Amino acid sequence: DAGVTQSPTHLIKTRGQQVTLRCSPKSGHDTVSWYQQALGQGPQFIFQYYEEEERQRGNFPDRFSGHQFPNYSSELNVNALLLGDSALYLCASSLLSAPLSTDTQYFGPGTRLTVL
Amino acid sequence: GENVEQHPSTLSVQEGDSAVIKCTYSDSASNYFPWYKQELGKRPQLIIDIRSNVGEKKDQRIAVTLNKTAKHFSLHITETQPEDSAVYFCALRRIIQGAQKLVFGQGTRLTINP
Repeated sequence: DAGVTQSPTHLIKTRGQQVTLRCSPKSGHDTVSWYQQALGQGPQFIFQYYEEEERQRGNFPDRFSGHQFPNYSSELNVNALLLGDSALYLCASSLLSAPLSTDTQYFGPGTRLTVL
Repeated sequence: GENVEQHPSTLSVQEGDSAVIKCTYSDSASNYFPWYKQELGKRPQLIIDIRSNVGEKKDQRIAVTLNKTAKHFSLHITETQPEDSAVYFCALRRIIQGAQKLVFGQGTRLTINP
């Protein structure tokens, strides 16, 4: 039973560049949520994707966008990178479709993004 | 109204003693409260969770208590071991128009001294 996977593990970019991060949910899950975790802080919700649509968004600018594919995997795109975007980006998968929907979100290993 | 306050920010206990971490919240609609453990450089891992229809849940050395009236919930670790050293995050789930998001506390760095 495959767990949540993310790629790449690490990434170094310069200010103004664009980045794409990828996430594959746990087998059997249909929902992907993205979180940003700055050093020494708790994860902050970016957005959630279900049925290939953005269902809810946190307090992040439009530079942050995403996509979900028919196989439930997801991408997070960040444009015009700022130094403050340096963080660990986590995706979490869960199951929303009834009747087997679950409360639990399982996290991937994260992508460490450094913006220079 | 969706902040979660977590205390203490750091906690150091002797091996074998108990550790308690407390979180308070303001969103009375929250009904699911997970706790995650994050070791250095690793992903957050769910260690225990509780739903609002129960007041306490226990899993071996780990227990969580919930007081919905007072809007606080706590993690209790008994007989602590060196491998319990990590950062612990409390969280609550908010459901907005069918979508779910977790709101996390600021984290507690727990150190178990041998």
